Amino acid sequence: EPEVTQTPSHQVTQMGQEVILRCVPISNHLYFYWYRQILGQKVEFLVSFYNNEISEKSEIFDDQFSVERPDGSNFTLKIRSTKLEDSAMYFCASDPARPGTQYFGPGTRLTVL
Amino acid sequence: AQSVTQPDIHITVSEGASLELRCNYSYGATPYLFWYVQSPGQGLQLLLKYFSGDTLVQGIKGFEAEFKRSQSSFNLRKPSVHWSDAAEYFCAVAASGGSYIPTFGRGTSLIVHP
Repeated sequence: EPEVTQTPSHQVTQMGQEVILRCVPISNHLYFYWYRQILGQKVEFLVSFYNNEISEKSEIFDDQFSVERPDGSNFTLKIRSTKLEDSAMYFCASDPARPGTQYFGPGTRLTVL
Repeated sequence: AQSVTQPDIHITVSEGASLELRCNYSYGATPYLFWYVQSPGQGLQLLLKYFSGDTLVQGIKGFEAEFKRSQSSFNLRKPSVHWSDAAEYFCAVAASGGSYIPTFGRGTSLIVHP
């Protein structure tokens, strides 16, 4: 069964550094998402992406964040200057349609020191 | 905006016992409703979803959920729990007339005793 993959599984970085989290969505899916889950808290929506542009973003998704689909298969989340409070699990998801079913990747655990 | 309440932070059941996890939502129209499961260190896996039609929804792993509009609820049930069901369970609601982005509840941690 096709699945969403994410790399790396764990990223440790120093505060102020840039990080790029990578996702490979399921190949025929059209909608892509990033969520984050701070330890012990609920999953929070960050951004959705369709037709090569952001379709919706939350208040969390400020100017420090950006997304890109550079080559038609990868979907990346960049955090330009990480803060301690960016430490969280980041999940990528993809969806073939709307309304549909979002398929989640296994997540990248980001630790900012 | 829609919201979800999962009133139970932890639920402990014995293996073989029945299970019901509660979920209440707030949304002005008929919502889209989901239950996801998250095992430790894993991503979220969809158990079942409700968009329309029959209010009793069957999912994977023997789970079912019932949409009750009058109670704004979408409780998850399983008649006999297995030790492998121990995980975090998230209820989510999405706006049927909007962006379809799910809003998640805080989750219920299921502990299964042998």
